[in-house]
Amino acid sequence: GAVVSQHPSWVICKSGTSVKIECRSLDFQATTMFWYRQFPKQSLMLMATSNEGSKATYEQGVEKDKFLINHASLTLSTLTVTSAHPEDSSFYICSAREIAGGPADEQFFGPGTRLTVL
Amino acid sequence: QKEVEQNSGPLSVPEGAIASLNCTYSDRGSQSFFWYRQYSGKSPELIMFIYSNGDKEDGRFTAQLNKASQYVSLLIRDSQPSDSATYLCAVKRRYSTLTFGKGTMLLVSP
Repeated sequence: GAVVSQHPSWVICKSGTSVKIECRSLDFQATTMFWYRQFPKQSLMLMATSNEGSKATYEQGVEKDKFLINHASLTLSTLTVTSAHPEDSSFYICSAREIAGGPADEQFFGPGTRLTVL
Repeated sequence: QKEVEQNSGPLSVPEGAIASLNCTYSDRGSQSFFWYRQYSGKSPELIMFIYSNGDKEDGRFTAQLNKASQYVSLLIRDSQPSDSATYLCAVKRRYSTLTFGKGTMLLVSP
């Protein structure tokens, strides 16, 4: 089956520093990757959608200058949290989709990255 | 505003019983409906999806969709303690993005 990896699985950083999270599709080419954030006992909230080679589309309320997304290849997308603050502490999950438009339109989720900002 | 509503639970059922999880959605243009299972501290994993009215069965799981009532449900037969998790309902329009509910926590007691 399709496998998506994330690195790191957890990270602790000091307030004001930047953190980069990688999302890789291991056995398929992801035309689209999605970045979600999940706070405790809350739903997954979509932050942005990225297509390979083009700028990411951010959801309303998500600061694009704070959450930098790069989708440079069909197997790699990165999310950089710039000048992180304690309120950015959350569970960040990426997902990848190979082909769009079918009824299933299945997204394969990475294992997530737990970010804690001190 | 697209919304997906789920009872947060917990829903407690004994081992071997049928667990029934429900979800309502507000966007009548939704075309595909998904059930994900999420264990604590882990990312969601797809259980099944449905896009036609009626029932769809996969092993111990049955998804039921009623577009007129904007209602989708998941039945888990012969519930096992390993089924204890949070179940997320998600809906989407074609060519659009997933909208998730907050999830229902299921507890299956031995």
